[in-house]
Amino acid sequence: EAGVAQSPRYKIIEKRQSVAFWCNPISGHATLYWYQQILGQGPKLLIQFQNNGVVDDSQLPKDRFSAERLKGVDSTLKIQPAKLEDSAVYLCASSSGVQETQYFGPGTRLLVL
Amino acid sequence: QKEVEQDPGPLSVPEGAIVSLNCTYSNSAFQYFMWYRQYSRKGPELLMYTYSSGNKEDGRFTAQVDKSSKYISLFIRDSQPSDSATYLCAMRGGSSASKIIFGSGTRLSIRP
Repeated sequence: EAGVAQSPRYKIIEKRQSVAFWCNPISGHATLYWYQQILGQGPKLLIQFQNNGVVDDSQLPKDRFSAERLKGVDSTLKIQPAKLEDSAVYLCASSSGVQETQYFGPGTRLLVL
Repeated sequence: QKEVEQDPGPLSVPEGAIVSLNCTYSNSAFQYFMWYRQYSRKGPELLMYTYSSGNKEDGRFTAQVDKSSKYISLFIRDSQPSDSATYLCAMRGGSSASKIIFGSGTRLSIRP
């Protein structure tokens, strides 16, 4: 069974630029999560989708971050404009249901200069 | 005060030693407790999952939860160099709307 795929793996941008991350969850997983992991910290949930609907986006900085999950499969997370403090690893995870085991992708490492 | 506190380490032990990793938490609503292992430049992977208080054993790994003290532990017996990773504790409440709250992780190194 293929795992959660993410791209790109690494991205370096300058502040005020925009960036987008892509996630392809495990086939058949209805729930998809985006986490932000700052160096030395645990992952923090940014947004959770159930199929193509948003379940929880309470910790998403909506003035600069946006996410979508078209057709309930792939998802894209965008940052516009980026700030220095957005430097982090962005992890995508998926699960078969809301309370089921979450499987994480390898993450996208973002550096904002 | 953070909801979940975890000593960041690093913790370095010789191969074959018993490792003890711990977390404390403040939210009494947490009911599900997890330990994730994260290798360098990889995503976290679920290692142990327990509900409420008690012990759970899986091979060389034992998870303990003491809800009265708001304290959880992970023990690794006969530690191997391949166990070298960052270990994240995580927990959530009982409702379907509860999100997982992670600790900051403990970096563990097993010396051959």
